[in-house]
Amino acid sequence: NAGVTQTPKFQVLKTGQSMTLQCAQDMNHNSMYWYRQDPGMGLRLIYYSASEGTTDKGEVPNGYNVSRLNKREFSLRLESAAPSQTSVYFCASSVGQGRAEAFFGQGTRLTVV
Amino acid sequence: GEDVEQSLFLSVREGDSSVINCTYTDSSSTYLYWYKQEPGAGLQLLTYIFSNMDMKQDQRLTVLLNKKDKHLSLRIADTQTGDSAIYFCAERLNSGNTPLVFGKGTRLSVIA
Repeated sequence: NAGVTQTPKFQVLKTGQSMTLQCAQDMNHNSMYWYRQDPGMGLRLIYYSASEGTTDKGEVPNGYNVSRLNKREFSLRLESAAPSQTSVYFCASSVGQGRAEAFFGQGTRLTVV
Repeated sequence: GEDVEQSLFLSVREGDSSVINCTYTDSSSTYLYWYKQEPGAGLQLLTYIFSNMDMKQDQRLTVLLNKKDKHLSLRIADTQTGDSAIYFCAERLNSGNTPLVFGKGTRLSVIA
């Protein structure tokens, strides 16, 4: 099992460019999440999808959009990248009930110049 | 609102015990988790504890939960250089499909 797969692993964007970060899980999980990690800030939730067909804002949603394409895939889009969006982005998934620990992808390191 | 606090740094000598502390604010937390992040990698679940438990032991790891003080700790016995990483405390509120809330992480450095 691959678990949670994120693409790309690294990306450099110019200010104003757009891009989509892809995430797929093969564990038949109901819930999926996007976090960003910045030094000294820990992990902050951007958006999540509690189940297929639903999405909700997290702590830091401004500048981002998401799509829960199907049960497996949850993408994060930056419409007009800004230097403040330079970060490491993590996708995670969980079964969505009971103990429901989150399983994480390896991360996407994004630099906006 | 929910908030999870951790100290940012901890340094220990190889072979000693490490204790990483965490405080949380929401008494409705159902599960509390400890994750480990090695350099350049994602987060991996180390262990978890259900809110009706006081203690959980798993090999070198001991988790203590004090619900009255909203305090969670992770003890690593016989700390090794491979334990050097960032450790995150996280809580889940209410139902299983709510997102985890993470602390800022504690960077553990193990000195040989």
